[in-house]
Amino acid sequence: DAMVIQNPRYQVTQFGKPVTLSCSQTLNHNVMYWYQQKSSQAPKLLFHYYDKDFNNEADTPDNFQSRRPNTSFCFLDIRSPGLGDAAMYLCATSRAGLAGGISYEQYFGPGTRLTVT
Amino acid sequence: QQQVKQSPQSLIVQKGGISIINCAYENTAFDYFPWYQQFPGKGPALLIAIRPDVSEKKEGRFTISFNKSAKQFSLHIMDSQPGDSATYFCAASRGGGSQGNLIFGKGTKLSVKP
Repeated sequence: DAMVIQNPRYQVTQFGKPVTLSCSQTLNHNVMYWYQQKSSQAPKLLFHYYDKDFNNEADTPDNFQSRRPNTSFCFLDIRSPGLGDAAMYLCATSRAGLAGGISYEQYFGPGTRLTVT
Repeated sequence: QQQVKQSPQSLIVQKGGISIINCAYENTAFDYFPWYQQFPGKGPALLIAIRPDVSEKKEGRFTISFNKSAKQFSLHIMDSQPGDSATYFCAASRGGGSQGNLIFGKGTKLSVKP
């Protein structure tokens, strides 16, 4: 039943220790997104893949990287987590069409809660 | 021009009452307006969405009203229940490709009192 799956659901890492979060989808959507959400705030887009094309938001720190080895999987790498990176990380997918076309629904996974000690 | 302004920030409603959350936008190129419901510790769930060619869409107790000329849209929750207590986000996007990225409002925390 699950359409967008995130693992792990909870991740504890130490300050400066690299961490990888994973996302998989069964929807065969061509776009995958990574968001950061802090308490009582809206999700903040970090970057997205449109097929294999990587699109980084201008204010996303270099500390955050992403990989998409195939259509179904996408990874978020945090190279040197700081205390300020503690947040919920959300993966989402969409069947986005061509530029200039219409928008499509975007579906979110359950999120990974990252704690930095 | 890319902003979506959402109000109120928080809302308390009695069980059985109507909850109303409002959003306003500036960019007339937006073509898709979804509402998301988020419970604590969970990911946002797509609740209902509308495109600008219709003025209203209803799904069960949830209705979106859309006013294209005023550039406003709102979510109405009829017969509000304690289980509706959550944070609601409106959003907008403007077409395919990278332009399809969602612009979120800041969210409304709804509490439905029994």
